[in-house]
Formats: sequence, structure tokens, C-alpha cells
Amino acid sequence: DIQLTQSPSSLSASVGDRVTISCRASQTVSSSLHWYQQKPGKAPTLLMCDGSTLESGVPSRFSGSGSGTEFTLAISSLQPEDFAVYYCQQTYSTPFTFGQGTKLEI
Amino acid sequence: QVRLQESGPGLVKPWETLSLTCSVSGRPITSTECWGWIRHSPGQGLEWIVGFYHRGRTYYNQSLKSRVTVSADTSKNQFSLRLTYMTAADAAVYYCARSKEGHLEGAYDIWGQGTIVTVSS
Repeated sequence: DIQLTQSPSSLSASVGDRVTISCRASQTVSSSLHWYQQKPGKAPTLLMCDGSTLESGVPSRFSGSGSGTEFTLAISSLQPEDFAVYYCQQTYSTPFTFGQGTKLEI
Repeated sequence: QVRLQESGPGLVKPWETLSLTCSVSGRPITSTECWGWIRHSPGQGLEWIVGFYHRGRTYYNQSLKSRVTVSADTSKNQFSLRLTYMTAADAAVYYCARSKEGHLEGAYDIWGQGTIVTVSS
């Protein structure tokens, strides 16, 4: 199974800050790496697919980069609604796996 | 607009079988879509269980394959998950979801709201 390791596990930031979250794969996932946001009591929502393709309706302050084994999610100018848990997921090979999550908090 | 909603028992006894249903609205499940089940627990995090095409193959998480069955009821526009021999390790929030653009390898762009499953006697 492909292991995804996110760093950091938690992150404190303020409104207006720029933050980056890393996702490292134990072997190449090509560009089949996606990012989700999850708020308490809700299902994950898709932010970014295929490493860097912004999902429709997602604000442009979110951006993604990377390929192979190293990926980054960046959020410029944090807004209050961005405080949540973020997960990466690979769909390069089954079983599809998720990172352990990064909790972004104030 | 496609919407998904899970339903099923909130409580299952150890060693019994969990049966969950995902009701789909806004799109027939017989279309060229790929559907999946994912679960989320404090201990295991987010775990992909299975992905399948209604008219094609089913892809399992091998760690669960021997216990998982998926099926579809086209008359009700629903698909279902059965997980046998439930233990405390299977307690989780279970989600059904749709793969983007009808590909197994697509990101999950539509999720149900999730249903909490507890395992206890």
C-alpha cells in the first residue's frame, strides 16, 4: 500500500496568513493526488484534484503543486472558514489511501 | 445536481453484518459513474473500502475484501455495502461517494453526509 505522510500534523495560524501543507508518498503516485477539507461533523469536500487542478467553486487562494512523491497545498491569506482539517489522497493504485490529516487552527 | 445519502443501523452487534444503503438523486446509478465507500474512524483515519462501476468491475481494499459485498438496486437508484463479522475496529463514520468524471482513479467530488456506525453488544 502507498503510505501518505502529511506535515505538519497540526498548524496554528492567523487570518491573513499564508500556510503550506505537505504530503509525501512512499512511492510515486504520478499526479493522482487530491486534497480535501473537512470540518467537524461534515463529510470531506474536494479542494484540488490531480495535484494542482482547483475544484469548481473553490476559492483561488487555494493552490496545489507537486508530482511523483512530493505535493504541497498552499492557502494564501487565510480566511476564518479555512480553519479545518486537510487530507491528501492518492488514487494512483489501490487501495487508495489518505494522509493522516493536518489540523489547521487559530 | 447529484446528491448522496447514506442510511443504515447506527448500532451493530459484534460479529454481525453491517448493511448500509446509499441513495442517489440527480443521476441514475446505471450511468457511467464510479461509486465508492469510505470510512473514517479515530484509529484508522480515512480508509477507502471499495470502488465500483455499476456496469463493470469492483475494486476492493484487499484488507477488507473477504468481508465486503457491494450491490445495486436500480429500481430505487441505490447501492449498498455489506460488511460481515463486525468488530469494534469497524466502528466509524461510513460515507458513500462518487468518483469524479466516472473514473475509478478520479477524486471523490460528491460525498454523502456520512452515517455513524457503532459496534457494541
